[in-house]
Parts: sequence; C-alpha cells; structure tokens
Amino acid sequence: EVQLVESGGDLVQPGGSLRLSCAASGFTFSGYNMGWVRQAPGKGLEWISYITSSSSTMFYADSVKGRFTISRDNAKNSLYLQMNSLRAEDTAVYYCARWDYGSHCYDSWGQGTLVTVSS
Amino acid sequence: EIVLTQSPGTLSLSPGERATLSCRASQSVSSSYLAWYQQKPGQAPRLLIYGASSRATGTPDRFSASGSGTDFTLTISRLEPEDFAVYYCQQYGSSQFTFGPGTKVDVK
Repeated sequence: EVQLVESGGDLVQPGGSLRLSCAASGFTFSGYNMGWVRQAPGKGLEWISYITSSSSTMFYADSVKGRFTISRDNAKNSLYLQMNSLRAEDTAVYYCARWDYGSHCYDSWGQGTLVTVSS
Repeated sequence: EIVLTQSPGTLSLSPGERATLSCRASQSVSSSYLAWYQQKPGQAPRLLIYGASSRATGTPDRFSASGSGTDFTLTISRLEPEDFAVYYCQQYGSSQFTFGPGTKVDVK
C-alpha cells in the first residue's frame, strides 16, 4: 500500500524558515516524480513544486519561486520542502503527492501537515 | 500560465440526482494531462479521473468524465451520500500544474 506521511509543520514567525519532510513507503520511491500541493484554510488546492525522480528537474509556482526549495533523498525514501522567507499567505496544509508518469496525475497523496505563519 | 475555471461554484442537489460539473481552461489543454480530484472535509484529495475520461482505480462507474481542448466535464450519474464533496480539475502543461478553484457539491 502506498503511504506518504508529511511532517515538520509548525507555527513560525514571518520571515522565518521551515523544512517539511514526506516519508514514502509501499512503492519504489526512486521511480516516481513527486510534488507538493498546499491548501490555505478554507481555500482550494494550489500546486507549488515538483521534482523528477532523479532530481534532475524541479519546477516551482511563481508564488514560491526563490523562497522554497524542493529536494529528495531516494536512499531514505524521502521528499523535502525547504521554506524560507515565510509569509502569512504561506499558511496552509501542505500535501506531498506522487506523480504517476503513465496517467499524468497525482495519484497518491499524504494526509498533510499544517504550516502557520504568524507573529 | 493556463487558468482553470470551474462552474458552478456550488451545486446543491439531492441524493439520486445527476451532477454535472464544468472545468474550462484559458487555453487548450492536452486531454492526457487533465485530471479530476475529490476532496472531503478534513481529508486529502483523492484522484477520481485521469486523462480527461479514465476512471482511477476504485472510482465508481457512476462517475464519468469527458472533454477536450478547453472544455471538460465531470458527471455523477446518481449522487450517493458519500459523493457530497468538493471536486477539483487539474492540468499540467509548460512546466506548470494548475488546479481549478473547485466545485462544492452539497445536499439540497
């Protein structure tokens, strides 16, 4: 069974940093591209970042470009999101999701971790 | 950047009724890269449809989807109590992934 478990969410002050992790199990992590999607309280889904299986390519939404960095460690079956210069509008539940190359969609999702940016 | 618009914002229906949800793109989207997700309160999104019309594993056959170019539709033939949720369309193109704002299907 595919499992994605996010962690690292916390309350952080504006301008601060946070690193999210996503632990993957139940599939060959190194064979899949992965992404991060967030959801502000009461709002819709917002894609924010994507990384290929070998880390050769990363994409970012304009809203986080230059502040967030996606990375992965295939040996540890883990995906990361380093978030710097956090703003109040970054407050959201952050989901990691597996991109299935065959069906071209996010076919598995974690349960999410809450990041709150507030003073 | 391709913008997705979903309508209606909210659809109020009774169990057993048919639901028709629309997703429109600001420019043409490859059908291969159009997906639909269902999200219930307090839960992560769940993949329903990929490739514009293919049901994901576990998606009941009362869910169907179609469309091409800029206009896509998700239909629920007869609403079951567990179908009341928010539905999002999503596309991939030009190194960007975008979600529509969602359609909430609630109980009339």
